[in-house]
Amino acid sequence: NAGVTQTPKFRILKIGQSMTLQCTQDMNHNYMYWYRQDPGMGLKLIYYSVGAGITDKGEVPNGYNVSRSTTEDFPLRLELAAPSQTSVYFCASIDRVYGYTFGSGTRLTVV
Amino acid sequence: GDSVTQMEGPVTLSEEAFLTINCTYTATGYPSLFWYVQYPGEGLQLLLKATKADDKGSNKGFEATYRKETTSFHLEKDSVQVSDSAVYFCALSSGSGGSNYKLTFGKGTLLTVNP
Repeated sequence: NAGVTQTPKFRILKIGQSMTLQCTQDMNHNYMYWYRQDPGMGLKLIYYSVGAGITDKGEVPNGYNVSRSTTEDFPLRLELAAPSQTSVYFCASIDRVYGYTFGSGTRLTVV
Repeated sequence: GDSVTQMEGPVTLSEEAFLTINCTYTATGYPSLFWYVQYPGEGLQLLLKATKADDKGSNKGFEATYRKETTSFHLEKDSVQVSDSAVYFCALSSGSGGSNYKLTFGKGTLLTVNP
């Protein structure tokens, strides 16, 4: 099925560990986004990309890095995990006519 | 900057009750307004949208009207069903291109509908 695929769905990290959250879309969308959702809060933008090779910071980029080597993939990297990064992470891509398509999310716990 | 304020939850209703979830916004220019729904364990899905003043978005019996004079986009449904139980997010997008396609979200309202 066409859409945005995120892996893994769940992950527990220890403080200081690193990991990459994977995001792939098969809709040939140029614009892709990473949001985090904290309990009782709306989503906040971490990073976004307007096309392969182009990325930029959102509202809450500290502690994260991204890359966009292909149109399809937009991985999010956590280098030194901290408890404050415990959250649910959503990747999304956008079609200018139909709007956002969100992945099903990655639930990350840092202990 | 842009902001969205929506009704605090949780909201608990009986089946067939009337639903209103209030949403007001602050934005520069003329934003597009959205309601997203998140079912348990899933990502967000677009429920409805409106792109200019006085537009009414509607979908699955839900409606919201873009009111520029009151900067509001309240979500309504005449008769809710158990299957409508979810978290509802009001959001806006105030530009085009790059970060201006970004969405600014409210905190979300949890709706529970009991049989």
